[in-house]
Amino acid sequence: DTEVTQTPKHLVMGMTNKKSLKCEQHMGHRAMYWYKQKAKKPPELMFVYSYEKLSINESVPSRFSPECPNSSLLNLHLHALQPEDSALYLCASSQDSGLQETQYFGPGTRLLVL
Amino acid sequence: AQTVTQSQPEMSVQEAETVTLSCTYDTSESDYYLFWYKQPPSRQMILVIRQEAYKQQNATENRFSVNFQKAAKSFSLKISDSQLGDAAMYFCAYPAGGTSYGKLTFGQGTILTVHP
Repeated sequence: DTEVTQTPKHLVMGMTNKKSLKCEQHMGHRAMYWYKQKAKKPPELMFVYSYEKLSINESVPSRFSPECPNSSLLNLHLHALQPEDSALYLCASSQDSGLQETQYFGPGTRLLVL
Repeated sequence: AQTVTQSQPEMSVQEAETVTLSCTYDTSESDYYLFWYKQPPSRQMILVIRQEAYKQQNATENRFSVNFQKAAKSFSLKISDSQLGDAAMYFCAYPAGGTSYGKLTFGQGTILTVHP
């Protein structure tokens, strides 16, 4: 089973709201990722967690706050977002982080910031 | 900088025909994987096929196969007997080394249209 689940599927929020995106996997993977994807563009890496510790932060604005409560769960907390943050947010996981690891993606959360 | 280049922004193919999507990459690593992902309009990124760089044999998954030329740093995807369900955006991807160890670097993508 290579399933990564994400909730919610769609999210509309105002610029003053606080919301969270959730990602879950039960494959025993120890690396989890957040990507941001604009229409017809490749995904852009935001954060990497390896063994529940933040290992890569791609200079993401502080209005995005990741959290990894346990090895199966990854959250992305959103606060005071801008309209340009509207995008598809993808979560992925892999057995470990490295050059020989395969990342499996969730279905994504479509975010619209008004 | 490690880069992945897909030179075909769009491709089209007739149903049941064969199409090849091209990808080149740049790396100084010697042992790594390469990936092709498919993203239909439904948006989920699905792994199509992967190639281990140390293997000479090209990977095959049913109708999907790759032509991997390590020296040329080329990794093309061949889709045989194309089906309507193959219509999607296809991304070639490679995991970076160095300080971004394991970070997937994607090409710009190729939109594949399948005509009935």
